[in-house]
Amino acid sequence: DAMVIQNPRYQVTQFGKPVTLSCSQTLNHNVMYWYQQKSSQAPKLLFHYYDKDFNNEADTPDNFQSRRPNTSFCFLDIRSPGLGDAAMYLCATSMYSGVNNEQFFGPGTRLTVL
Amino acid sequence: AQSVTQLDSQVPVFEEAPVELRCNYSSSVSVYLFWYVQYPNQGLQLLLKYLSGSTLVKGINGFEAEFNKSQTSFHLRKPSVHISDTAEYFCAVSPNTNAGKSTFGDGTTLTVKP
Repeated sequence: DAMVIQNPRYQVTQFGKPVTLSCSQTLNHNVMYWYQQKSSQAPKLLFHYYDKDFNNEADTPDNFQSRRPNTSFCFLDIRSPGLGDAAMYLCATSMYSGVNNEQFFGPGTRLTVL
Repeated sequence: AQSVTQLDSQVPVFEEAPVELRCNYSSSVSVYLFWYVQYPNQGLQLLLKYLSGSTLVKGINGFEAEFNKSQTSFHLRKPSVHISDTAEYFCAVSPNTNAGKSTFGDGTTLTVKP
């Protein structure tokens, strides 16, 4: 089945220790998104890629970076995680062809910062 | 720019009762509208979407929603809920131009009691 896969599902890191979360998709979608979701809150868009074009949200901290080496993969790098970065990180994809269609979400990676 | 307001943060309801989850939006451009469901520790799953055409949209799991342009609303309804419908529900809007940038509401927690 075509899908969005996130690894790992649970990630524990130490304060200040860099961490990378990964997302892959078999949908061949041209847009990939990274969201941060804290408990009982809406997903907050960090950035998205439209093909190779990177689009950063204005309020995304510099601590968060992303890479999309090819259509299928997208990575979220947190350079120096703080306690406030503990959250669920959701990857999503969509196919933009002149219409903003629905997003397909992965199961998320829950990040714990010790 | 667009915004989404989900009018109820929590909706408790008894099993087999009808339910309505309310969503209002504002936007300076035409938008597409979506409802997603999120079960604990999972990503978001599309319930239904309105892109154009009939204002009454039917989705999965017996849910439906009605787009009301004059009232800028997109309320979600189900005539008879099940225990398994207990989850977080998010309303989202996307502009009908340019890729990306969905805006999510803060979510409504639906709790179905036996």
